[in-house]
Amino acid sequence: AQKVTQAQTEISVVEKEDVTLDCVYETRDTTYYLFWYKQPPSGELVFLIRRNSFDEQNEISGRYSWNFQKSTSSFNFTITASQVVDSAVYFCALRMDSSYKLIFGSGTRLLVRP
Amino acid sequence: GAGVSQSPRYKVAKRGQDVALRCDPISGHVSLFWYQQALGQGPEFLTYFQNEAQLDKSGLPSDRFFAERPEGSVSTLKIQRTQQEDSAVYLCASSKHQGPTYEQYFGPGTRLTVT
Repeated sequence: AQKVTQAQTEISVVEKEDVTLDCVYETRDTTYYLFWYKQPPSGELVFLIRRNSFDEQNEISGRYSWNFQKSTSSFNFTITASQVVDSAVYFCALRMDSSYKLIFGSGTRLLVRP
Repeated sequence: GAGVSQSPRYKVAKRGQDVALRCDPISGHVSLFWYQQALGQGPEFLTYFQNEAQLDKSGLPSDRFFAERPEGSVSTLKIQRTQQEDSAVYLCASSKHQGPTYEQYFGPGTRLTVT
């Protein structure tokens, strides 16, 4: 069975702190894709990144970085120098190569206080 | 360009009423998905269309849920005889092609409240 676990329900930080959102996934497929989405209060899911299972190279995009480790089935997301505008719910998702549906975790609500 | 749009944004229905939720995908996008998001949870897959063909409806919770995309563009999700457990945000997403490397673009959702 495929599953995504985001154990952190809610995280609260002060602006400019670094914060890491954890994501652990389960699948027996060898080819799969991992995603992070941001859901601001407006409700629309905003795509942040996609990673395929054969590419474990970490990625950095501005203040965002992602750490993909197949050995621990984790795909963690770090925001450096957090800002109030980063406040949102963040979802990790999994998609198998043989499928088209996204399997989401339950999300982590991030609150960045000024 | 325009993103995925959904209407209405909010819908309140009395238990037992039928509702219809509309999704306008990004123009030219072949794939269309419906997801259901309960309060405090991640979205859960309901159904998938490739053009006008409904290729997967395994996530529809019951036979009260019905989706269509007759001309391969706009889609409607219909819920008959609504129940309180149907209260959720219904998200629509579209993708340029079928493959998993094509990201899904989500609309703002329709928040359905059944009283």
